[in-house]
Amino acid sequence: GENVEQHPSTLSVQEGDSAVIKCTYSDSASNYFPWYKQELGKGPQLIIDIRSNVGEKKDQRIAVTLNKTAKHFSLHITETQPEDSAVYFCAARTNSGGGADGLTFGKGTHLIIQP
Amino acid sequence: ETGVTQTPRHLVMGMTNKKSLKCEQHLGHNAMYWYKQSAKKPLELMFVYNFKEQTENNSVPSRFSPECPNSSHLFLHLHTLQPEDSALYLCASSQDRIRGGVTGELFFGEGSRLTVL
Repeated sequence: GENVEQHPSTLSVQEGDSAVIKCTYSDSASNYFPWYKQELGKGPQLIIDIRSNVGEKKDQRIAVTLNKTAKHFSLHITETQPEDSAVYFCAARTNSGGGADGLTFGKGTHLIIQP
Repeated sequence: ETGVTQTPRHLVMGMTNKKSLKCEQHLGHNAMYWYKQSAKKPLELMFVYNFKEQTENNSVPSRFSPECPNSSHLFLHLHTLQPEDSALYLCASSQDRIRGGVTGELFFGEGSRLTVL
């Protein structure tokens, strides 16, 4: 099955600086890579995703890059703000051709924005 | 508000108790999931239901018993749990990608925090 590794486990950056979180995956058949943000006391919420036919995707201050050859993908947050403080999870899914199926998640990165 | 509601938010139970977690989604999705979230571990997929049928059971111990009476409701029945089962249990829903869904994005509830004494 799929295995997703995520680094770092904790990341502290100054407000206004950029933050980068990296993930690797093991199954070369995986083709969908979402990123979720989990705030304290809440469930994870999708913030951006990328499919394997695209190398990069951007949404305002958030961008995700994908390197299929190396099997790794990264989340980039620019101009960080206090509300960016949360736990971020990367995930991967293989298009099995069937119906609903679950995602394989990384262990999460606790992002701390220092004022 | 994500459209997925979980109750109770907190539950404390003894190892011999029987309790249930409830999830309801108001998004019109046809797939529902249970995930377990423990400290320092990835979210672990437990069960998947698609159109009320269980399509995945990730080697979960039988002391966890899921029930999906319809596409909007999902239960997790708990019986004779162990202290190591203490965790945050997250319910999620999505639209089936094959039957016209878009991205298969998972929408999570806020979770039920379970403590087993």
